[in-house]
Amino acid sequence: GAGVSQTPSNKVTEKGKYVELRCDPISGHTALYWYRQSLGQGPEFLIYFQGTGAADDSGLPNDRFFAVRPEGSVSTLKIQRTERGDSAVYLCASSLFARTDTQYFGPGTRLTVL
Amino acid sequence: GESVGLHLPTLSVQEGDNSIINCAYSNSASDYFIWYKQESGKGPQFIIDIRSNMDKRQGQRVTVLLNKTVKHLSLQIAATQPGDSAVYFCAEIAFSGGYNKLIFGAGTRLAVHP
Repeated sequence: GAGVSQTPSNKVTEKGKYVELRCDPISGHTALYWYRQSLGQGPEFLIYFQGTGAADDSGLPNDRFFAVRPEGSVSTLKIQRTERGDSAVYLCASSLFARTDTQYFGPGTRLTVL
Repeated sequence: GESVGLHLPTLSVQEGDNSIINCAYSNSASDYFIWYKQESGKGPQFIIDIRSNMDKRQGQRVTVLLNKTVKHLSLQIAATQPGDSAVYFCAEIAFSGGYNKLIFGAGTRLAVHP
């Protein structure tokens, strides 16, 4: 499709495990964002990519979280030594240019850490 | 700190009635606001936006009003339909480093009854 896609849609893991979440932005979009949404809350910013580089990772909660976008399109959010508190929906969004008004969101990946 | 919040966590309306969802923001320097709609299991979907140099903006069945004096904005949905049932978020744009960093409120759930 033409929208932002994310895989997997659901991920269940055990505490201490490593997980990777994938985001495919809209083709041609140079800006990519990761957000985390806890139940009943609005999304919270994690990291922003402009092209291949992370322009701002100030929202990453700690060094267990890392994201890459090696070719400037697909991005992977990586979480090491998962904790129960990491359970949330992880949303990806993309926009055409960095200062474009509209960010288009994917459906999210629901992560559950047991 | 800066925040965007909502007055009413849940709003129930009858089909065909008009709905009004409210949002307060605390950063008087913010100059751009977006309303998103989020259905269950989906990512936020852009509805309408407004800049601080405007008081009102209309879309298809939706109107956003901005009152900068009291730092309040609202989303009005005309002739509410069952398909409008969702969680609605207002988001504040904090321009930093040349990109759009969305700050979301907690959301209001709109329930439309036949």
